[in-house]
Amino acid sequence: LAKTTQPISMDSYEGQEVNITCSHNNIATNDYITWYQQFPSQGPRFIIQGYKTKVTNEVASLFIPADRKSSTLSLPRVSLSDTAVYYCLVGEEKGTYKYIFGTGTRLKVLA
Amino acid sequence: DVKVTQSSRYLVKRTGEKVFLECVQDMDHENMFWYRQDPGLGLRLIYFSYDVKMKEKGDIPEGYSVSREKKERFSLILESASTNQTSMYLCASSGTGVGTEAFFGQGTRLTVV
Repeated sequence: LAKTTQPISMDSYEGQEVNITCSHNNIATNDYITWYQQFPSQGPRFIIQGYKTKVTNEVASLFIPADRKSSTLSLPRVSLSDTAVYYCLVGEEKGTYKYIFGTGTRLKVLA
Repeated sequence: DVKVTQSSRYLVKRTGEKVFLECVQDMDHENMFWYRQDPGLGLRLIYFSYDVKMKEKGDIPEGYSVSREKKERFSLILESASTNQTSMYLCASSGTGVGTEAFFGQGTRLTVV
């Protein structure tokens, strides 16, 4: 099982770019890296997923170096509404894809 | 719009009661999951099911059981509720395949008194 390690919390100001890094030293060859976002009193929701190099969607970018032992979620120009907990997940492929969440990174965006 | 619905948003039960938490998904997903979330501990997987009547234990199954009689419904059962089971419970569903997105319900905040 590829364990993930993220910073517990981060603060940022509105308009800044935020980068959250996740370590996953034991990632397996077939594992994908997925990030979820969770607002208070809601369930997590999918943000972005990648396997290698860079992935970008309308919400975020995901940077994955060649060795895949870490990944960085990049949120461009954050706003107050981006205040949430962000989880990095690495897939465990044993017949069924289990979603193993860590403790996540609590991002607080300040005005 | 995809939907995972949990039967209750808030629930208060007494110690020793048998508690049922219900979850329904409308996406015809094969996989369904139950998590609990506690401050400082993140989301922890209790049980998951990859098919009707099939289940596997997650990281913290003690004190819980599950039932999946129909594809769209996954129930979490606390056989004899205890105060240390006071928590937020989240249900999720997903299709098959590595990396498939999981969809979550709004959560049930259970308080055992």
